[in-house]
Amino acid sequence: NAGVIQTPRHKVTGKGQEATLWCEPISGHSAVFWYRQTIVQGLEFLTYFRNQAPIDDSGMPKERFSAQMPNQSHSTLKIQSTQPQDSAVYLCASSPRTGGGYAEQFFGPGTRLTVL
Amino acid sequence: SQLAEENLWALSVHEGESVTVNCSYKTSITALQWYRQKSGEGPAQLILIRSNEREKRNGRLRATLDTSSQSSSLSITATRCEDTAVYFCATDPNTDKVVFGTGTRLQVSP
Repeated sequence: NAGVIQTPRHKVTGKGQEATLWCEPISGHSAVFWYRQTIVQGLEFLTYFRNQAPIDDSGMPKERFSAQMPNQSHSTLKIQSTQPQDSAVYLCASSPRTGGGYAEQFFGPGTRLTVL
Repeated sequence: SQLAEENLWALSVHEGESVTVNCSYKTSITALQWYRQKSGEGPAQLILIRSNEREKRNGRLRATLDTSSQSSSLSITATRCEDTAVYFCATDPNTDKVVFGTGTRLQVSP
């Protein structure tokens, strides 16, 4: 079991460019979560999918961020027109089930995005 | 304001000492999880304690939960250098989501 895979591990973009981050959840897990982590804000929830369907995107900055899960083996987080304040570590997690506090989340190593 | 937060930004201990990280939360919960994040890695769950439980152990780790004061603690005995990490509590405010605290940075030195 390779765990949750995130690619790339590091990405550097120029201001205004697009960034696409990839996540491969653990096989068989029904829930996929995206978080953003910074020193100042900590771990911020962005969005999550259950059985590939988007369930809650309340943490997503509406204008430039989008997430998809076209199949059960991967999810993408796309940031258009990146800004320096988007610099963060983006973490993907999967869970064998939803159920709030009862459901352990398995995290990938994250993608460190740097916007120059 | 944070729905869950650890009470200290950072702690420092020497190997072999015991340490306790505290967490407070603001809403009713069904369970509380403790996670550890080592440098360069994603968080990993250490303990899940349900709202009807008062204590849970996992090796050198012991978590307590006090729903009346809406607080939890994670104690680590006989600390090792490899326990150096950020420790988060995470709660579910009656939703499918889990809300993470800001984390306590633990440094264990030789």
